[in-house]
Amino acid sequence: EVQLVESGGGLVQPGGSLRLSCEASGFTFSSYWMHWVRQVPGKGLVWVSRIHSYGTSTDYADSVKGRFTISRDNAQSTMYLQMNSLRAEDTAVYYCARGNNYIEQWGQGTLVTVSS
Amino acid sequence: DIVMTQSPDSLAVSLGERATINCKSSQSVLYSSNDKNYLAWYQQKPGQPPKLLIYWASTRASGVPDRFSGSGSGTDFTLTITSLQAEDVAVYYCQQYYDPPHTFGQGTNVEIK
Repeated sequence: EVQLVESGGGLVQPGGSLRLSCEASGFTFSSYWMHWVRQVPGKGLVWVSRIHSYGTSTDYADSVKGRFTISRDNAQSTMYLQMNSLRAEDTAVYYCARGNNYIEQWGQGTLVTVSS
Repeated sequence: DIVMTQSPDSLAVSLGERATINCKSSQSVLYSSNDKNYLAWYQQKPGQPPKLLIYWASTRASGVPDRFSGSGSGTDFTLTITSLQAEDVAVYYCQQYYDPPHTFGQGTNVEIK
């Protein structure tokens, strides 16, 4: 069974940093692009970033470019999102997702709250 | 960035009736070299992550009931639920994966009338 489990969310002050993790199981992790998508509770989905199966290529939404860094460790079947210079508008549930084109599978999400 | 616009924002449909959701992209998401539309539809129920319904604009994902269908090409796409069931109450999103950032539509809330 494919599983994506996010962790690392929590409360952080504006300007602070947080690192999210996504642990994958049930499939060959190194064969898939992986994504982060976020959602403010009660609002729509916003694509954040993606990383190539070998980690050789990354893309970001303009709203996070220069502040967030996506990475992966294929040996550990884990993807990360390093979030720096956090702002109130980064408050959201962050979903880890798998997909070489469309997103096939989603995690349950982890909540990040940026507030003083 | 490609902007995805869904219509309507919300709709209420009687059980057993048809629901139609539209999605328009600000530029074509049809890749000419393989004749594929890089457009997916997702369903999100309250308190759950999204679930893939349709990819390549018209291919149903595994396990998705055949009352769900996708159509369209280029910049205009439609998700149709032919006979709405109670369990179809959800928010539906389109997404283009033609070009990063892989933008989503704003969502369409489907309710029972």
